[in-house]
Amino acid sequence: AQTVTQSQPEMSVQEAETVTLSCTYDTSENNYYLFWYKQPPSRQMILVIRQEAYKQQNATENRFSVNFQKAAKSFSLKISDSQLGDTAMYFCAFMAYNSGGSNYKLTFGKGTLLTVNP
Amino acid sequence: DTGVSQDPRHKITKRGQNVTFRCDPISEHNRLYWYRQTLGQGPEFLTYFQNEAQLEKSRLLSDRFSAERPKGSFSTLEIQRTEQGDSAMYLCASSLGVTLWETQYFGPGTRLLVL
Repeated sequence: AQTVTQSQPEMSVQEAETVTLSCTYDTSENNYYLFWYKQPPSRQMILVIRQEAYKQQNATENRFSVNFQKAAKSFSLKISDSQLGDTAMYFCAFMAYNSGGSNYKLTFGKGTLLTVNP
Repeated sequence: DTGVSQDPRHKITKRGQNVTFRCDPISEHNRLYWYRQTLGQGPEFLTYFQNEAQLEKSRLLSDRFSAERPKGSFSTLEIQRTEQGDSAMYLCASSLGVTLWETQYFGPGTRLLVL
């Protein structure tokens, strides 16, 4: 079984500053993907960024980047130049796959509530 | 296409009643997933479909829960004899169903309150 741990229930940051959200996971699988999802207040969950475990290069998407440390099973999210619209719950998620294909289900952490202050 | 839709958005019911939720995935998506999210927790996987076939069910899905996806289009999730512990947000997601991994697109959810 896989577990995902987000140790920061809440965080806050000033607009235009940088913030890092932490995530660790535990798995015996060798092949997997990692994701960060964003859930704004009363709105749908959307994908922020993903990382394939076999890739050493950290993924980036505009102001969002990850620090993937496979040996440490760590997958943090850095948000640069924070904007008011980044205020949301952020979930780290894990998906394993094997030679038979992916099991497709996402395992989520408990989330980190990020507030961007003006 | 406006994305994944769910109906109703909110449901209040009394303990012991049956409830049914509907999910309409993005039209060309073959995979459909149901998750449950309780307060202060991340979503937990319940079940998923590849077209009309239900391929995996979580142990969270007790025998009071049943999900269907007739004709591989919309899906319904029914909870029989609801209990207060069933109160949660029920999320539906869909993905294209072609590649090994794919973005799962989530709907707005159905919030269930069992009194």
